Amino acid sequence: KQEVTQIPAALSVPEGENLVLNCSFTDSAIYNLQWFRQDPGKGLTSLLLIQSSQREQTSGRLNASLDKSSGRSTLYIAASQPGDSATYLCAVRQGYNNNDMRFGAGTRLTVKP
Amino acid sequence: SAVISQKPSRDICQRGTSLTIQCQVDSQVTMMFWYRQQPGQSLTLIATANQGSEATYESGFVIDKFPISRPNLTFSTLTVSNMSPEDSSIYLCSTRSGTGGTEAFFGQGTRLTVV
Repeated sequence: KQEVTQIPAALSVPEGENLVLNCSFTDSAIYNLQWFRQDPGKGLTSLLLIQSSQREQTSGRLNASLDKSSGRSTLYIAASQPGDSATYLCAVRQGYNNNDMRFGAGTRLTVKP
Repeated sequence: SAVISQKPSRDICQRGTSLTIQCQVDSQVTMMFWYRQQPGQSLTLIATANQGSEATYESGFVIDKFPISRPNLTFSTLTVSNMSPEDSSIYLCSTRSGTGGTEAFFGQGTRLTVV
């Protein structure tokens, strides 16, 4: 059974700092991996989607990498801003015909002005 | 991409009552998914809803407690029945879009508190 772990559980950084969030998964036979942002009490906003055949995806100040063989993904946030404060979740999907996505517990990020 | 409008955004309910959550998608989609996120926890899939058929429930979730409707390809509802304080959670609907239905999109969530 796929298990997804995110470390650290919480992170606090000063504004302007570059940071890396980590996601690991136990079964490397994944279909894709997706990073989300969740504001308190709200839904999930899709940030980046990495297919199993891809190594990384970029959107603005965000860069996500995927290393299937080692069961790891990282989300890199450049020049962090207070507006980046949120919980970041990664989720893996096992296969095209597999509807379930396994989510990590998230990393709660605080960017201090 | 897909845009999902979910309502209500939050509610406070008395134990023993029921709440129906609605999700409207801006395009026709084959499958919709309902998740629960308990306080401080990650997301757990409740059920998958296809139009024109019974929803498929995950282990630990039953239709009597979480009845789901899927009357057409853009709309779904989840009812939380006979609520207890343990049902206090964020409930989220989701669908897949993009090439091959690969990317997941979520509604804004419903924050339910049962008192």
